[in-house]
Amino acid sequence: ILNVEQSPQSLHVQEGDSTNFTCSFPSSNFYALHWYRWETAKSPEALFVMTLNGDEKKKGRISATLNTKEGYSYLYIKGSQPEDSATYLCASPAQTGANNLFFGTGTRLTVIP
Amino acid sequence: NAGVTQTPKFRILKIGQSMTLQCTQDMNHNYMYWYRQDPGMGLKLIYYSVGAGITDKGEVPNGYNVSRSTTEDFPLRLELAAPSQTSVYFCASSYSRMNTEAFFGQGTRLTVV
Repeated sequence: ILNVEQSPQSLHVQEGDSTNFTCSFPSSNFYALHWYRWETAKSPEALFVMTLNGDEKKKGRISATLNTKEGYSYLYIKGSQPEDSATYLCASPAQTGANNLFFGTGTRLTVIP
Repeated sequence: NAGVTQTPKFRILKIGQSMTLQCTQDMNHNYMYWYRQDPGMGLKLIYYSVGAGITDKGEVPNGYNVSRSTTEDFPLRLELAAPSQTSVYFCASSYSRMNTEAFFGQGTRLTVV
């Protein structure tokens, strides 16, 4: 079992604010790090899959960075909009070549209009 | 393209009853997973499969069984329902080992009374 931790647990921001949150994972035997967006009453949808130290990925106003040596990833949202309100999950396989995926408990983001 | 389809969406079971949650995917993915989501606990892996005829236990397999007779289908069986199995269940699939994104079904909300 892999300890994937996310912080903060929840976050409220005003529309237009930029925000970021953290995913921590064991740095040994790193394989990949996933970010998912999960809207209420829907199913999780992938944002990014990152595999290399120093990776930076971007999709619209959302971007992510990866530091495998120290075991963390940041997710950034620039100019938050109400439609960004969701739970953001990160996940990582247990070890190199693992066939399973362990999830953190998520960061619940609420963007206030 | 339907992606990952789960049925039913909702179900109420009495203690001791049995049921099968159906999951099918049309993306020709070898890897399939069952997760349960409990409040504040994130997604916990129940069982996974790396191809037809191959299944393995995840973090919380007790009380469940799976089979994988075809690439497309990965049903989850509850033999003797217990209140502790009240949860939301998600099926997911991915193309390869966990450096590619997982696609999720819409979820099944199960209540055991």
